[in-house]
Amino acid sequence: QKEVEQDPGPLSVPEGAIVSLNCTYSNSAFQYFMWYRQYSRKGPELLMYTYSSGNKEDGRFTAQVDKSSKYISLFIRDSQPSDSATYLCAMDNQGGKLIFGQGTELSVKP
Amino acid sequence: DVKVTQSSRYLVKRTGEKVFLECVQDMDHENMFWYRQDPGLGLRLIYFSYDVKMKEKGDIPEGYSVSREKKERFSLILESASTNQTSMYLCASSSAGGNQPQHFGDGTRLSIL
Repeated sequence: QKEVEQDPGPLSVPEGAIVSLNCTYSNSAFQYFMWYRQYSRKGPELLMYTYSSGNKEDGRFTAQVDKSSKYISLFIRDSQPSDSATYLCAMDNQGGKLIFGQGTELSVKP
Repeated sequence: DVKVTQSSRYLVKRTGEKVFLECVQDMDHENMFWYRQDPGLGLRLIYFSYDVKMKEKGDIPEGYSVSREKKERFSLILESASTNQTSMYLCASSSAGGNQPQHFGDGTRLSIL
């Protein structure tokens, strides 16, 4: 079993839809959780960075962490074609290394 | 903004060649990382470094080595390139300590013929 599981998709939604992206993990020691966005032929860019359980909002993006269920989510409201990208979750193992999910490919259709 | 620069966006080499991939960061970060990214396999850590002249093996170090002579520069070396090393290579850096987000370069797409 992988430490971090993420459905690779692809996920296709119409413009304006609410998107929910999710990851599950097995290591209860993870404390910090991140979401990266990766456009085609580019490197991943940090989108959200959260600590422990709870919600964090930044514009149209909300990151949610449920440590009791070992489950994290990224919600995108009013999705736009420019949100089309691969989204990777990542978690810190407290050793300075990040453990990444496989990434979910999202396509937002106009 | 953090800037991580990888020397080449695209590179084509032949099997058996020694290949150097260079990465430079401008934020005085202590930690630097090399990953490869392949469809269906996600990001896999090859090597990382917490300080100058220090290196640690990641999950898939075989066939690779690294060099960190200066804090801002981290080089990945393919000692004798093979076709199964055709991949997207990503460099990242982060501040010292755990629980730090990593900042990535735009990658080098390497093809070994």
